[in-house]
Amino acid sequence: DAKTTQPPSMDCAEGRAANLPCNHSTISGNEYVYWYRQIHSQGPQYIIHGLKNNETNEMASLIITEDRKSSTLILPHATLRDTAVYYCIVRDTGTASKLTFGTGTRLQVTL
Amino acid sequence: DVKVTQSSRYLVKRTGEKVFLECVQDMDHENMFWYRQDPGLGLRLIYFSYDVKMKEKGDIPEGYSVSREKKERFSLILESASTNQTSMYLCASSSIKGTANYGYTFGSGTRLTVV
Repeated sequence: DAKTTQPPSMDCAEGRAANLPCNHSTISGNEYVYWYRQIHSQGPQYIIHGLKNNETNEMASLIITEDRKSSTLILPHATLRDTAVYYCIVRDTGTASKLTFGTGTRLQVTL
Repeated sequence: DVKVTQSSRYLVKRTGEKVFLECVQDMDHENMFWYRQDPGLGLRLIYFSYDVKMKEKGDIPEGYSVSREKKERFSLILESASTNQTSMYLCASSSIKGTANYGYTFGSGTRLTVV
């Protein structure tokens, strides 16, 4: 699976949009981009995934560049409860495909 | 609500003990995984299974074994616990069927301390 690069930490004011970047320049054509987050002392939680097109769900939006070498997770109105470590992962969805976690971005949402 | 349930939230065991960590999922998922998480090292894959009685080594299988006798249950076994196995252990499951491919669902974790 392709590796990803994320900034180690980011801050965001409550109510503002949080834009979390991810570089995955070696992504291959059959690999999806997944985003997870992990709130302190809990297991990681699935947020969103996509292949080529931008995606949106009730939690977030995922913007993937046309060349697929990078993506951005957008939390449109961050709250204090969004403080967490956010992981960007690229993965083939084959039968026994594994998720390989990097170190992620620690997002701190402040008042 | 779909769930991955880990049997214990906190566990304290002695060095040399045989330790069983249990994980049960109610989503009829084919794939199940065991990770450990340590500060500064992130989540590392220990073992995974993509079918009953099947198992594959992950990145750090040494000192561990697994058992999957039923589809919904995946057990992690520490044959002889050591202090360097003190960690947070996370179980996850996933499916490959159709629109159920939403990635992994994780349990809440078991914090194991070996003394």
